[in-house]
Amino acid sequence: DGGITQSPKYLFRKEGQNVTLSCEQNLNHDAMYWYRQDPGQGLRLIYYSQIVNDFQKGDIAEGYSVSREKKESFPLTVTSAQKNPTAFYLCASSTTGGFPGYTFGSGTRLTVV
Amino acid sequence: QKEVEQNSGPLSVPEGAIASLNCTYSDRGSQSFFWYRQYSGKSPELIMFIYSNGDKEDGRFTAQLNKASQYVSLLIRDSQPSDSATYLCAVSSSGTYKYIFGTGTRLKVLA
Repeated sequence: DGGITQSPKYLFRKEGQNVTLSCEQNLNHDAMYWYRQDPGQGLRLIYYSQIVNDFQKGDIAEGYSVSREKKESFPLTVTSAQKNPTAFYLCASSTTGGFPGYTFGSGTRLTVV
Repeated sequence: QKEVEQNSGPLSVPEGAIASLNCTYSDRGSQSFFWYRQYSGKSPELIMFIYSNGDKEDGRFTAQLNKASQYVSLLIRDSQPSDSATYLCAVSSSGTYKYIFGTGTRLKVLA
C-alpha cells in the first residue's frame, strides 16, 4: 500500500544535540513538506520541496535543515540552534498541484530531555 | 499575514445531532479548501475538499463554501462519539500549492 512513513515515532534529544527525523513516501508525489504542531497553534510550515535537490524555507525554518536527494525521501534535521524543539512533527506529501490535499505521515513526537 | 481562523472549542453536541464547524480566511485569492480530522496524538486525515461556491456532500459530511464572505464550513450529520476529534481547516495560499492551516476546532459528541 502507498503511504508516508515517518520514523521514529518518539525521539528524545539532549541539549546541544542534532537529531534527524526520517520521512519516506511511495506515493510518487513530487512535493513534500514538514510541519510542526504545538498545542493550540495548529500546523506551522518548516520546509517544503517541489522537486529533487530543491527546497524552500517555510514560516519557521530557523534551527532546522532538510535535504531532498531522492524523490521518496525528505529528512528533517533539528539542530542545536532550535531552542524550543519539543513538538509533534508531521511530514506530508502531495502532487505538485497540491490536489486533492496532502497525505500525512503518522508523525514524530520530539522531546528535549 | 494570510490567516485562517477557527473557534478552538470545544464544541459539544449530543449523539445524533448536526455538528457545524466554521472557518474564515483572509486571502481572497485562495482557491482550494480542505477539512482534516485529527484524533488526539494522531496525524491529520483528509475528509473533505471543496473548490467551488456552494455545498459538497459526502456521506454524513457536507462542506459549504462562500468565497464572497471568505467562509467555509463543515456539517456533520447524525454525529457519533467516534466523530469526537479536532477538525482542521486548510486553505490554499494564492499562487502557490501551500496550505495555511487553522488552529482547529475540538468537537465532542456526547453519547
